Amino acid sequence: GAVVSQHPSRVICKSGTSVKIECRSLDFQATTMFWYRQFPKQSLMLMATSNEGSKATYEQGVEKDKFLINHASLTLSTLTVTSAHPEDSSFYICSAIDQADSYTFGSGTRLTVV
Amino acid sequence: AQKITQTQPGMFVQEKEAVTLDCTYDTSDQSYGLFWYKQPSSGEMIFLIYQGSYDEQNATEGRYSLNFQKARKSANLVISASQLGDSAMYFCAMRKGYNTDKLIFGTGTRLQVFP
Repeated sequence: GAVVSQHPSRVICKSGTSVKIECRSLDFQATTMFWYRQFPKQSLMLMATSNEGSKATYEQGVEKDKFLINHASLTLSTLTVTSAHPEDSSFYICSAIDQADSYTFGSGTRLTVV
Repeated sequence: AQKITQTQPGMFVQEKEAVTLDCTYDTSDQSYGLFWYKQPSSGEMIFLIYQGSYDEQNATEGRYSLNFQKARKSANLVISASQLGDSAMYFCAMRKGYNTDKLIFGTGTRLQVFP
């Protein structure tokens, strides 16, 4: 089946630094990818929709300058958390619509900012 | 606005018994899709079952079935013959109809299966 590879699975960074998270569709082309954020024991909140070759569409309340999304190819989307702070610590997960019109999720990235 | 409601923060079920996880939704769209996902402690999202708003039959996938009651706007997940490995968070999600592929999620239900 379709696979979305997400890296890194875990990252610890110092406050003020930036962290890049990658999502790759391994066996299909993903025109659109979605980025979610999940706090402990809470639901997945959609942050933005990433479209290949164009600017991402951010959900209300999500700071586009803080969460930079780049979707430069049909198989790769990246989320960069800029100037990370402890409150950005969360579980970030991407998903893409595969060739069967199903949503395939990455395995998630647990970000801890210290 | 679209909304998914899961009113059961936690559920317990004995192994081999059936359990129903509730999900209600709110939308004014005629065309939409409903999903259930399982999220174990590792964090991955595992697709379980899908129901389209125009599907007349309730969806089934192995031990999972979806009790779709369109008039009541409910899409409850039924897990039959529960197994210890079913212990996880379960999320109901909805995909809007024509103009967007966004998935919105409910708050989830933590299911614990005991021997």
